Amino acid sequence: GENVEQHPSTLSVQEGDSAVIKCTYSDSASNYFPWYKQELGKGPQLIIDIRSNVGEKKDQRIAVTLNKTAKHFSLHITETQPEDSAVYFCAPKTGANNLFFGTGTRLTVIP
Amino acid sequence: GAGVSQSPRYKVAKRGQDVALRCDPISGHVSLFWYQQALGQGPEFLTYFQNEAQLDKSGLPSDRFFAERPEGSVSTLKIQRTQQEDSAVYLCASSLALGLESYNEQFFGPGTRLTVL
Repeated sequence: GENVEQHPSTLSVQEGDSAVIKCTYSDSASNYFPWYKQELGKGPQLIIDIRSNVGEKKDQRIAVTLNKTAKHFSLHITETQPEDSAVYFCAPKTGANNLFFGTGTRLTVIP
Repeated sequence: GAGVSQSPRYKVAKRGQDVALRCDPISGHVSLFWYQQALGQGPEFLTYFQNEAQLDKSGLPSDRFFAERPEGSVSTLKIQRTQQEDSAVYLCASSLALGLESYNEQFFGPGTRLTVL
């Protein structure tokens, strides 16, 4: 199965600063790279995803970059706001049915 | 429309008891997944249904765990003779299309927090 690691495990930033979370994976067959946000007491929610034939994707304050050669992809959040505080998971996927979730990164945005 | 719902939201069981956790997926979603999330960890895959067929149960940790989706809609995860290590949040997710289609978003329910005493 996939071996997925996230760094850092915790991240604190001042409101308005940027945050970057990196995800490394082991399966070179992975072809779909989503990021999920999980707030306390809720299930994970997809915030952005990228396919293997694209190097970067941006959606307002959120972007994802992919380096397939090095087998890692990163989540970038700019102009952070307190409501961005949550746990973020990467979940790379191959042709298998299920997602392989990383260990998570707890982001705290300090007002 | 309504998202994925799960019930109960919280369940406390004594060790050795049987529990049943329910998932109502988004209407029309073909694929349904169960994940187990231990405290401070990411969700881990348990099992996958395509309509009523259970196509993958490789993540079920033991034969005490059983899942069904008899009419291709609502699903139930049953845990027999619960043990303390079963304590976790159990998440259900549904997806519009077939699981093998890599690009389809999985929509998660809020989860059921199971505590085994």
